[in-house]
Amino acid sequence: AQTVTQSQPEMSVQEAETVTLSCTYDTSESDYYLFWYKQPPSRQMILVIRQEAYKQQNATENRFSVNFQKAAKSFSLKISDSQLGDAAMYFCAYTIQGAQKLVFGQGTRLTINP
Amino acid sequence: AAGVIQSPRHLIKEKRETATLKCYPIPRHDTVYWYQQGPGQDPQFLISFYEKMQSDKGSIPDRFSAQQFSDYHSELNMSSLELGDSALYFCASSSLQDLRGRTDTQYFGPGTRLTVL
Repeated sequence: AQTVTQSQPEMSVQEAETVTLSCTYDTSESDYYLFWYKQPPSRQMILVIRQEAYKQQNATENRFSVNFQKAAKSFSLKISDSQLGDAAMYFCAYTIQGAQKLVFGQGTRLTINP
Repeated sequence: AAGVIQSPRHLIKEKRETATLKCYPIPRHDTVYWYQQGPGQDPQFLISFYEKMQSDKGSIPDRFSAQQFSDYHSELNMSSLELGDSALYFCASSSLQDLRGRTDTQYFGPGTRLTVL
């Protein structure tokens, strides 16, 4: 069975600085997708960034970027120039191709210190 | 852009009552997923539908049932409610391919907060 592990229950960072959230996963599949979702206090699940496993290039979305290490099965999220609005629970998630379920990690609660 | 719509947003029920949650996917999305998120937990997959047929089933109790209708909206029916059913229920939708060519990306609705007393 596929599993996703986030080893950092909580992280904090000073406003305007950079923070990296860790995620590892276990799968025997060769074609899959990885995601980071953000869940602010409103509890809405918001897509942050997506990575296709067949792509070697790391995905970026403005201040958000990932470090995808396929051999190590690692998928970390880097947030640059942290802003107060980035404070949220961040979930790493995995799915395989073909409209399949998402498997989530346990989440990392990110606090931004002004 | 249109998002996933869920109703109601909040629902309070007594034990042993029945609840129905509704989900309206993003237009032209063909797959709907239901997830349950308990307090302090990550979302857990319940069930999914592709083109109105059940496509996958997770840890969904036998007391729960769901379906997807001809207009692609979906309903999650929950009977004999228990205190442990209190949770945030998310619906998500996806399409094999969207305008940017990205596949299998699930977009979530705002959730229905169910409280069982």
